[in-house]
Amino acid sequence: SYVLTQPPSVSVAPGQTARISCGGINIGRKSVSWYQQRPGQAPVLVIYYHGGRPSGIPERFSGSNFGNTASLTIIRVEAGDEADYYCQVWDTDSAHRVFGGGTKLTVL
Amino acid sequence: QEQLVESGGSVVQPGTSLRLSCAASGFTFSSASMDWVRQAPGKGLQWVAFLSHDGGIKSYDDSVKGRFTISRDNSKNTVFLAMDSLRLEDSAIYYCARDGEGDTLDYWGQGTLVTVSS
Repeated sequence: SYVLTQPPSVSVAPGQTARISCGGINIGRKSVSWYQQRPGQAPVLVIYYHGGRPSGIPERFSGSNFGNTASLTIIRVEAGDEADYYCQVWDTDSAHRVFGGGTKLTVL
Repeated sequence: QEQLVESGGSVVQPGTSLRLSCAASGFTFSSASMDWVRQAPGKGLQWVAFLSHDGGIKSYDDSVKGRFTISRDNSKNTVFLAMDSLRLEDSAIYYCARDGEGDTLDYWGQGTLVTVSS
């Protein structure tokens, strides 16, 4: 089955840039979504389909995807960005939706 | 405004059954594919099941296949998850979510808690 690998944690100072990676075989050929989940809340879609942002998601959030790695980039990080972030793809071979293990973003 | 509201979560014993519901509003439900995703306490997101807009295509994670059944009633704008032979490891918050453009889940409910305990 398809596997997505994320680093367990990323730490960044306020105002700096956070980059969260998501590794998967030939992930660059897939549509990758990213979700933000704050403690005690439901996940929220922040990036989808080749870097699209839903309405209400700041332009500070962007996504890239090439080769075997997709990335979520957050510029000018704020305290409110502290959350768990998950990447996700649809694996057509198995007809399964797959999530990465999640990355906890800590704002120092 | 799109909204999903789950219900049906409870504390149950291993081996028993439970049915979760998810009521949708604010969008054309009959045109939307739907998923269930769960999250065990302190753990990450785990996809559970997918159902196409017309109910014709279903897919399940291997951990629930044969025990869980996803279904929908488009006349009531509701998607269901029937869970049989529940195990301790099925304890989690269960979220329903709408499939959006590009294989994404664009709207999520607030979740309903299922606890399997003896």
